[in-house]
Amino acid sequence: GDSVTQMEGPVTLSEEAFLTINCTYTATGYPSLFWYVQYPGEGLQLLLKATKADDKGSNKGFEATYRKETTSFHLEKGSVQVSDSAVYFCALSRGGYQKVTFGIGTKLQVIP
Amino acid sequence: EADIYQTPRYLVIGTGKKITLECSQTMGHDKMYWYQQDPGMELHLIHYSYGVNSTEKGDLSSESTVSRIRTEHFPLTLESARPSHTSQYLCASSEYVFPLESNTEAFFGQGTRLTVV
Repeated sequence: GDSVTQMEGPVTLSEEAFLTINCTYTATGYPSLFWYVQYPGEGLQLLLKATKADDKGSNKGFEATYRKETTSFHLEKGSVQVSDSAVYFCALSRGGYQKVTFGIGTKLQVIP
Repeated sequence: EADIYQTPRYLVIGTGKKITLECSQTMGHDKMYWYQQDPGMELHLIHYSYGVNSTEKGDLSSESTVSRIRTEHFPLTLESARPSHTSQYLCASSEYVFPLESNTEAFFGQGTRLTVV
């Protein structure tokens, strides 16, 4: 079945540092890939997405590229802020009756 | 803007009580989900529905039950709450699309924080 492997946290960075959160997946066919963000006490919000190979999703300075050859979708940001402190989930989905599959989540803490 | 709502946001209740967590969406999505989120943050799928009158258990065994009588409504019920049920519960929905390669993101409610004392 489908699966998503995500690096474990927590990740602690200083403000303005470079961020990478690794995500790899296992799935048949051509799933869509997503990064969600969860702020304290809230539900998950879509951060960015990519629907086919070599697509780059981007939002709020975050980027991730759909790499089919390495089955990866790593999240990056060039300069993190304290307000980026949250939990980040990598996910994949396909159409039909398939369920959305999530990674375990990576907690990011950015210190001033 | 996502239109999926959960009530209540917070609930503190005594052991043995029956509770129902409400989840409603106005997007006409066929697929709906309930997740239990532990303090370690991981999401555990406990219930899934792919349409009216269709429900199935998720990956994590749960004593809760669900119903799907209307497309927009997917309530979760605990017949007798216990302290071990204390957790955050998240509801989500996504669209049924075809073909399988189609984009189908999930939309989440704000969550219900349940505490059983």
